[in-house]
Amino acid sequence: DGGITQSPKYLFRKEGQNVTLSCEQNLNHDAMYWYRQDPGQGLRLIYYSQIVNDFQKGDIAEGYSVSREKKESFPLTVTSAQKNPTAFYLCASRAGARYEQYFGPGTRLTVT
Amino acid sequence: AQTVTQSQPEMSVQEAETVTLSCTYDTSESNYYLFWYKQPPSRQMILVIRQEAYKQQNATENRFSVNFQKAAKSFSLKISDSQLGDTAMYFCAFCHTGANSKLTFGKGITLSVRP
Repeated sequence: DGGITQSPKYLFRKEGQNVTLSCEQNLNHDAMYWYRQDPGQGLRLIYYSQIVNDFQKGDIAEGYSVSREKKESFPLTVTSAQKNPTAFYLCASRAGARYEQYFGPGTRLTVT
Repeated sequence: AQTVTQSQPEMSVQEAETVTLSCTYDTSESNYYLFWYKQPPSRQMILVIRQEAYKQQNATENRFSVNFQKAAKSFSLKISDSQLGDTAMYFCAFCHTGANSKLTFGKGITLSVRP
């Protein structure tokens, strides 16, 4: 079955710790995206990657970092510099010739 | 910069009835795509329907259809024969074509379908 997986579904961390969220896709999509969702807000773009070994900042990149070493994988690290990291994080991917994005099931991160 | 506005935060509809969700957008681009996504309580984002700006014909997908008014920059979603499973948040999204294409989302609308 083709799709996007994100793990874990729920993640808990202490303040001051870095944490990495996983995103894997087997759709052979070139582009991948990370979004943050807060209550009452739409999705806000954190980082995106159009191709392996290349990525761009989105609208709210501060306090986050990414890598794209493989086409299938686009992990997101939430660093201790992110002031309000508790949120729901969604990963998405897109085929090169299409514009719609397909989403993973999301990771709920809670930092206390 | 593109903006997407969903001015109704919540709506409610009786099962089997029809409901229309509103969305407006602002852009200076001429080529773009518009989407409606559904997010049920599971929080999985699901693509409902897409519309290419260059197509005058409104897109339809089973019980879902859009009213795309390009000049007015309006893109509403009509759900016919509403079902309990339609209860979800619905997000309108805009995407320009070309390199570095990105989705811009509205804040969403919570739709409740009453039995």
